[in-house]
Amino acid sequence: GEDVEQSLFLSVREGDSSVINCTYTDSSSTYLYWYKQEPGAGLQLLTYIFSNMDMKQDQRLTVLLNKKDKHLSLRIADTQTGDSAIYFCADRDTGRRALTFGSGTRLQVQP
Amino acid sequence: SQTIHQWPATLVQPVGSPLSLECTVEGTSNPNLYWYRQAAGRGLQLLFYSVGIGQISSEVPQNLSASRPQDRQFILSSKKLLLSDSGFYLCAWSAGQTGELFFGEGSRLTVL
Repeated sequence: GEDVEQSLFLSVREGDSSVINCTYTDSSSTYLYWYKQEPGAGLQLLTYIFSNMDMKQDQRLTVLLNKKDKHLSLRIADTQTGDSAIYFCADRDTGRRALTFGSGTRLQVQP
Repeated sequence: SQTIHQWPATLVQPVGSPLSLECTVEGTSNPNLYWYRQAAGRGLQLLFYSVGIGQISSEVPQNLSASRPQDRQFILSSKKLLLSDSGFYLCAWSAGQTGELFFGEGSRLTVL
């Protein structure tokens, strides 16, 4: 079955850039997503990218997609303490109506 | 605008007791609806999804069940809870071609 993998933890200093990485196995993925989860809350959609795109930028967020290597990354510029959360990547293939999520990367921002 | 509500937010139940978690969506019609479970420190596991009233797809065998009695209502149930049912349950909806999910605030279940 399909699999989505992420590193578990990332620590950065306030003001630095954060890069969260994700790999996936399903070559038929059509859309890939990034979600943010704050403690005790549901998941908030940050952004998504269509599989025929290489990059998408939205304010401080930049998503890079390397379809050949099945690698997705989320870059957060000028990271703030409010960015501390768990970040999930997810993918969707045409055969299923649900998303498959990674285990999440906990981002800790040091003041 | 669309909103999604889940309740209860927190639940502590003894082993063997029944469970009912409810989810409703407002501001959209004929959404796809989903139940995911998040175990402590882990990712999200898809439990059920529904593309219409009375249409439920189960992803994993377990002692949970789901029902969709109305277009915008999704219910997660169990007749007898197990310790392993503890976790954070998330309801979500989607509509449209891009398939992104919009999540509720979650229901934290502790089975003792």
